[in-house]
Amino acid sequence: EIVMTQSPATLSVSPGERATLSCRASQSVSSNLAWYQQKPGQAPRLLIYGASTRATGIPARFSGSGSGTEFTLTISSLQSEDFAVYYCQQYNNWPPFFGGGTKVEIK
Amino acid sequence: EVQLVESGGGLVKPGGSLRLSCAASGFTFSSYSMNWVRQAPGKGLEWVSSISSSSSYIYYADSVKGRFTISRDNAKNSLYLQMNSLRAEDTAVYYCASRAPIVGATKVFDPWGQGTLVTVSS
Repeated sequence: EIVMTQSPATLSVSPGERATLSCRASQSVSSNLAWYQQKPGQAPRLLIYGASTRATGIPARFSGSGSGTEFTLTISSLQSEDFAVYYCQQYNNWPPFFGGGTKVEIK
Repeated sequence: EVQLVESGGGLVKPGGSLRLSCAASGFTFSSYSMNWVRQAPGKGLEWVSSISSSSSYIYYADSVKGRFTISRDNAKNSLYLQMNSLRAEDTAVYYCASRAPIVGATKVFDPWGQGTLVTVSS
């Protein structure tokens, strides 16, 4: 099974600043990597798939990059609605494991 | 509008059983694989089980294999999760999620339901 490791666990950022979240896979997942956003009390929402393709309706300030084992989610200018927990998930192999999440909080 | 609505959660004693349901609407349910993902209180997301569109392929996480059974009824646009021999560590919000309508991404989940809470406690 492929283990997904996210860092940092918590990221404190001021509104308007850039946030950079990392996700590492224990073995190559090619570009089969998705990112999800989850706000308190809500279900997760798909942000990015294919490591870098935004899902429908996702603002351009969200971007993904990477391939193989190292991936990054960047939020270019944090808005108030972006403070949430972000999960990466590999879908190259079964089982489709998630990372432990990164909480983006207001600094 | 695509919608997934879970039901069937509740409080159950260790060793007990529960059946979750997920009602789908707004899309061609029979064309998509479906999934259950859970989230223990204050924890991250854990994939539980997946079923292909025609029920030909079924997968389970090791943590639930032999205790949980996923099924679907395409005529009723419904997904189910039969949970037996429940343990305290099965306590979580259970989400149903559709396979995203993305070519080549069978294990990308979108959309998700709002979740149903299962609490296993004596």
